[in-house]
Amino acid sequence: DVKVTQSSRYLVKRTGEKVFLECVQDMDHENMFWYRQDPGLGLRLIYFSYDVKMKEKGDIPEGYSVSREKKERFSLILESASTNQTSMYLCASRDGTYGYTFGSGTRLTVV
Amino acid sequence: QKEVEQNSGPLSVPEGAIASLNCTYSDRGSQSFFWYRQYSGKSPELIMSIYSNGDKEDGRFTAQLNKASQYVSLLIRDSQPSDSATYLCAVRSFSGSARQLTFGSGTQLTVLP
Repeated sequence: DVKVTQSSRYLVKRTGEKVFLECVQDMDHENMFWYRQDPGLGLRLIYFSYDVKMKEKGDIPEGYSVSREKKERFSLILESASTNQTSMYLCASRDGTYGYTFGSGTRLTVV
Repeated sequence: QKEVEQNSGPLSVPEGAIASLNCTYSDRGSQSFFWYRQYSGKSPELIMSIYSNGDKEDGRFTAQLNKASQYVSLLIRDSQPSDSATYLCAVRSFSGSARQLTFGSGTQLTVLP
């Protein structure tokens, strides 16, 4: 089974801090994704990557950046955390034919 | 703007009944369709995928696709309390970026013992 591992399950950060969320997958998938999930808003795509060093903006990229230096690792960076970035963050990876496999999620609280 | 619409629910059914979850999508270029189950506090897990018109069965789950009407549904037969979760519909199109899925906001299902 594909495993997608997110480094932290719960995270509390202060406003203005730079925050790194890490995601690692073990199945050599080319495509990786970062979503945030909020009540009533569903899953919203922040950024995705289809190859090493390649990235594309999703629907809500403002305030975020990403890094993909190795195929298995896709990092989400909050440049200066704000309270409206308090959310559940979900990483996913996909091979060419199937749906996504999600990580267990990181619940981020910005205070 | 590609959209995927689901009734948010909550949908309640008694144990043993059939639960019917519906999803409509706006992009006629959509080619691949997925149903995810998400338990409270957990991440979504893929339970069904369907690519062509008609029905696809997997155990107690049946996915139905009608591309002409732009809807996809999920039927859960003999519903169990353990099926209580939020069900997310997801669609992949082959226009624009073919690499991402667009998700509906989910339908919350409660199966009453």
